[in-house]
Amino acid sequence: DAGVIQSPRHEVTEMGQEVTLRCKPISGHNSLFWYRQTMMRGLELLIYFNNNVPIDDSGMPEDRFSAKMPNASFSTLKIQPSEPRDSAVYFCASSLGVNQPQHFGDGTRLSIL
Amino acid sequence: EDQVTQSPEALRLQEGESSSLNCSYTVSGLRGLFWYRQDPGKGPEFLFTLYSAGEEKEKERLKATLTKKESFLHITAPKPEDSATYLCAVLPTNSGYALNFGKGTSLLVTP
Repeated sequence: DAGVIQSPRHEVTEMGQEVTLRCKPISGHNSLFWYRQTMMRGLELLIYFNNNVPIDDSGMPEDRFSAKMPNASFSTLKIQPSEPRDSAVYFCASSLGVNQPQHFGDGTRLSIL
Repeated sequence: EDQVTQSPEALRLQEGESSSLNCSYTVSGLRGLFWYRQDPGKGPEFLFTLYSAGEEKEKERLKATLTKKESFLHITAPKPEDSATYLCAVLPTNSGYALNFGKGTSLLVTP
């Protein structure tokens, strides 16, 4: 079975540029999560979607971050404009429900120069 | 404030040397506790879910247990391929969906 698919796997860009990260959740999963992982802070939840609707975006650090889920099989996380402190690994995860295990993609390693 | 603390931060074992990883948590109520394994350059891979104190789950050389304040991941006769970072995550009752992750234990098993 296909797992959660994220693209790109690596992104290097200059400060000020727009960055778009993409995620395809596991088919049939109705919950989707975006996380950010850094050495200092570990894994942090950025935003949670249920049935394509954003439920909680309180983890989104600033207005520079936005996320969309136009349909059940696709989500994007956008940073505009990007800053060096946004450098991290961004993970997308999906699950069958809120009490169910979350399954993670392999992440996007983002470097902002 | 909900907290999840994993210990030790790093652990080095000889192949075949059994040990345990600890995850202690402070939450107002526990909806579930999840164990994940993360390899370098990969996303966390789900291992176990535990929902109530006294519950145990096993998979190959791994066994997870849960009490009201902590969970243990026991590794029996580990092999080098068990080397990874093991993450514990708690789903508090008042959260609904937000997993609270510990910082992980980095395990190295040498031949």
